[in-house]
Amino acid sequence: DSGVTQTPKHLITATGQRVTLRCSPRSGDLSVYWYQQSLDQGLQFLIQYYNGEERAKGNILERFSAQQFPDLHSELNLSSLELGDSALYFCASSVVALAGGPETQYFGPGTRLLVL
Amino acid sequence: QKEVEQDPGPLSVPEGAIVSLNCTYSNSAFQYFMWYRQYSRKGPELLMYTYSSGNKEDGRFTAQVDKSSKYISLFIRDSQPSDSATYLCAMSPYPTQGGSEKLVFGKGTKLTVNP
Repeated sequence: DSGVTQTPKHLITATGQRVTLRCSPRSGDLSVYWYQQSLDQGLQFLIQYYNGEERAKGNILERFSAQQFPDLHSELNLSSLELGDSALYFCASSVVALAGGPETQYFGPGTRLLVL
Repeated sequence: QKEVEQDPGPLSVPEGAIVSLNCTYSNSAFQYFMWYRQYSRKGPELLMYTYSSGNKEDGRFTAQVDKSSKYISLFIRDSQPSDSATYLCAMSPYPTQGGSEKLVFGKGTKLTVNP
């Protein structure tokens, strides 16, 4: 167990709908990352928040948005859903690394989204 | 050309075999090289990381980086059925300490170790 929690585990919805995925980072971790994992694209970085502020953006569609709240939990909002948005969505959190090492990203169990 | 290329496999080996997994990359700015392991229906977990070129060993696992060839490898000695998982390489150009950790992942190689 990584200590990162994600809800819901599974989500089935229809095209055109809007969903919200939730992530609670490990205690003390200030950074939250969102990733999308699909069979054809692999694991793709979407967006990073650090202590409530957006820090980096990856291949995130305009229909998607995220935020990190004062209690450090984060939500990923997906709107106008399309069939191609069906994927696993992972949240990860990280702690500041010791000098000379990378931050270790701890991944949650993911939310499996199916758009019908 | 994708930034990171990884053969998706699948790779099936008998228990006790030496497994070699590898990735190639095109971005010369990558400094940190990581291997993540992902069990079925779980999130990825960090296995090992190396900085720049060289080798790093951790138990049965050895990570190698050859920056001149833009090629990284993960070797698993005496493979066990519990090693059956998808292995993803990941890379980052950034130094750390609170910076942006925009990891670029390979697609992953699915490994099965048969008893």
